[in-house]
Amino acid sequence: AQKITQTQPGMFVQEKEAVTLDCTYDTSDPSYGLFWYKQPSSGEMIFLIYQGSYDQQNATEGRYSLNFQKARKSANLVISASQLGDSAMYFCAMREGRGGFKTIFGAGTRLFVKA
Amino acid sequence: KAGVTQTPRYLIKTRGQQVTLSCSPISGHRSVSWYQQTPGQGLQFLFEYFSETQRNKGNFPGRFSGRQFSNSRSEMNVSTLELGDSALYLCASSSNTEAFFGQGTRLTVV
Repeated sequence: AQKITQTQPGMFVQEKEAVTLDCTYDTSDPSYGLFWYKQPSSGEMIFLIYQGSYDQQNATEGRYSLNFQKARKSANLVISASQLGDSAMYFCAMREGRGGFKTIFGAGTRLFVKA
Repeated sequence: KAGVTQTPRYLIKTRGQQVTLSCSPISGHRSVSWYQQTPGQGLQFLFEYFSETQRNKGNFPGRFSGRQFSNSRSEMNVSTLELGDSALYLCASSSNTEAFFGQGTRLTVV
């Protein structure tokens, strides 16, 4: 069965520094996709980045990059040059390749950016 | 491009009533998924519709149902509401490599 684990309930980072949010996953499907989302206090889920299991390079989107280590089954999110507006909940999610777009989510990591 | 639109944003219902939530996906996306988010259970998958057919279903009771129309808009219905159904309901509009969420409907059952 597919599973997503985020072991950091909360993280603090100083403004302008980089931070890594951890995510490990488990699946028996060789084809899968990994997502990261940001959820501010307003509740909206904001899509940040996607990594496919067959992608050769790590995904990047602006200040966000995904450190994909397939053998370790990890998909850590790296946020560079943190900003106060980055304070939010961050969710890692996975979708298996077979049978549609059912996506499971980790428990989330709450990030606090300090001025 | 226009985002995912969920209506209504907020809803207060009484136990035993039923509720219908709506989701309009991004143009061109044929998949709509629904999720329930609660502080205790986190984000849980309800079901996914693709081209008017339910393609995946989570572990929720039959009181939770949905449908999708030919224009890809989807509705979710919850019958015989219980206090525990109070949650943020999110829908996601998906393609192969992206999944965008609406702002959610916050349902409170009293």
